[in-house]
Amino acid sequence: RKEVEQDPGPFNVPEGATVAFNCTYSNSASQSFFWYRQDCRKEPKLLMSVYSSGNEDGRFTAQLNRASQYISLLIRDSKLSDSATYLCVVPQYSGAGSYQLTFGKGTKLSVIP
Amino acid sequence: DTAVSQTPKYLVTQMGNDKSIKCEQNLGHDTMYWYKQDSKKFLKIMFSYNNKELIINETVPNRFSPKSPDKAHLNLHINSLELGDSAVYFCASSQGLAGGNSGANVLTFGAGSRLTVL
Repeated sequence: RKEVEQDPGPFNVPEGATVAFNCTYSNSASQSFFWYRQDCRKEPKLLMSVYSSGNEDGRFTAQLNRASQYISLLIRDSKLSDSATYLCVVPQYSGAGSYQLTFGKGTKLSVIP
Repeated sequence: DTAVSQTPKYLVTQMGNDKSIKCEQNLGHDTMYWYKQDSKKFLKIMFSYNNKELIINETVPNRFSPKSPDKAHLNLHINSLELGDSAVYFCASSQGLAGGNSGANVLTFGAGSRLTVL
């Protein structure tokens, strides 16, 4: 299994739809996880952190399944402004007390009017 | 008031040249990073510095040399540029070492420097 794997999409959904992305990871020791959002030709920005079983912020819900080693991101009532690439991020221990964040290749979402 | 700023934003240069990208953060963070995002949009870590000390050095050609004069600055110098170096280079910072369970370890990215080697 690759370190961090995501379905690249693109996901094309109508406004108001609910869409979910999955991300699988290989390192079972990873404790915290992140979803970042990257708009076209912009820098990635933190969307949500996931430290326990899940996290909810408005229309966005992130869930963690440690047994199956995947995290998911659910977006309800999709808006045009949600169109972006969503990056799954998993810390990998790299020795000497330090971690490096491993990014998935991202899932592209296009919300259509 | 930009938190992580990097310059230049765009850089077009010929093969074989040497170029530098500068990065500064005003967040008071201890750790800074350089990431490379290639044409396939894959974001990969290159280097990480914690309080001016190198802690992560991924498999990167030694033509790439980071320099951290203080914990607020991390510059990237690239010698003998090659076509394959064309990419967007992102600087980032975090309060601590990225990872672990602390919310303080999330990354704040700069806007990116788009390097095109002709």
